[in-house]
Amino acid sequence: DVKVTQSSRYLVKRTGEKVFLECVQDMDHENMFWYRQDPGLGLRLIYFSYDVKMKEKGDIPEGYSVSREKKERFSLILESASTNQTSMYLCASSYLGFTLEKLFFGSGTQLSVL
Amino acid sequence: ILNVEQSPQSLHVQEGDSTNFTCSFPSSNFYALHWYRWETAKSPEALFVMTLNGDEKKKGRISATLNTKEGYSYLYIKGSQPEDSATYLCAFKGTGNQFYFGTGTSLTVIP
Repeated sequence: DVKVTQSSRYLVKRTGEKVFLECVQDMDHENMFWYRQDPGLGLRLIYFSYDVKMKEKGDIPEGYSVSREKKERFSLILESASTNQTSMYLCASSYLGFTLEKLFFGSGTQLSVL
Repeated sequence: ILNVEQSPQSLHVQEGDSTNFTCSFPSSNFYALHWYRWETAKSPEALFVMTLNGDEKKKGRISATLNTKEGYSYLYIKGSQPEDSATYLCAFKGTGNQFYFGTGTSLTVIP
């Protein structure tokens, strides 16, 4: 089975801190995604990557950056955490170019910024 | 940003009841419609990936239908069980690279 692992289940940070959320997948997937989930809103895409060192902005990239130095790892960086970035963050991966590619998700990181 | 809507927002049913919920999405530039089940403290897991108008998929007691011309999909659960309690998400994929998710339907099955 595909495994997508997020480094932390719960994280508490202070306003202004630089925060790294790590995601690793073990199935050689090309695509990797970072979403955030907030009450009353659907999963919203922050960034995605379809190859090493490639990235594209999603719908809400402001305040975030990403890094993909190796195929299996996709990092989300909050340059200066703010309280409005308190959220559940989900990482996902998928194959590139298959008609029926489905997303494989990590179990999420609940980030609280105080 | 595309609008994907799910209804109802939440649902409580008795064990053994059958239930269904709706996902509405844009009818243009359709590529695929996904359904995911997200249980508390677990990862969302794919239930179905549907691409063709009129598609019907089934997995055990859960089935889904797709109407791309009018932009909706139904998810049905027959004889609900407590282990079916979860949030059910649909995701629309157009011809671009992104998936657009609905807000989900939270299902609680009461024993």
